[in-house]
Amino acid sequence: EAGVAQSPRYKIIEKRQSVAFWCNPISGHATLYWYQQILGQGPKLLIQFQNNGVVDDSQLPKDRFSAERLKGVDSTLKIQPAKLEDSAVYLCASSSQVFEQYFGPGTRLTVT
Amino acid sequence: KQEVTQIPAALSVPEGENLVLNCSFTDSAIYNLQWFRQDPGKGLTSLLLIQSSQREQTSGRLNASLDKSSGRSTLYIAASQPGDSATYLCAVGAAGANSKLTFGKGITLSVRP
Repeated sequence: EAGVAQSPRYKIIEKRQSVAFWCNPISGHATLYWYQQILGQGPKLLIQFQNNGVVDDSQLPKDRFSAERLKGVDSTLKIQPAKLEDSAVYLCASSSQVFEQYFGPGTRLTVT
Repeated sequence: KQEVTQIPAALSVPEGENLVLNCSFTDSAIYNLQWFRQDPGKGLTSLLLIQSSQREQTSGRLNASLDKSSGRSTLYIAASQPGDSATYLCAVGAAGANSKLTFGKGITLSVRP
């Protein structure tokens, strides 16, 4: 079966610009997660969707980050405006009922 | 608040050695525990998932154990190979409907030929 797809793989932007990341989960997986992984750290959950509803966005900086999951499948994560500290790898994961999470390759964001 | 600790941050071993990677967590009310492998510049690959009712899981040369009462898990790698060189992350799944994972910082393993 196809894995979790993410694009783009790499993105370089200047601070105060905006950027968007896309994720396509494994077919049939109802739960979708966005994580932020800063260099040398473990991933940190930003937002969790169950179908197209938000389950947890407690660690999402809502003044600059937004995410949506239309029709309960694909998802987009947006940052506007970006700051230097947003430089990280953004990982998308999906899971079915057994809660084992499967991760995509990630998008490496560099903010200059 | 759940905290996950992995010590040491880095480990170097000669090829063929059996080794154990440790993970500790502060809140024993967990749903599951998952071990991941991350290669440089890549995403996470799931290695083993242990449900809270289980004590261990095995896959090939890997064996993961879980002791909820003491807040500890170990990943045992038998007969290590240079291809095992990567960062190994432990993640604890929250109990309840929210299956949020809390990750440790990982252990970077280097297996010398």
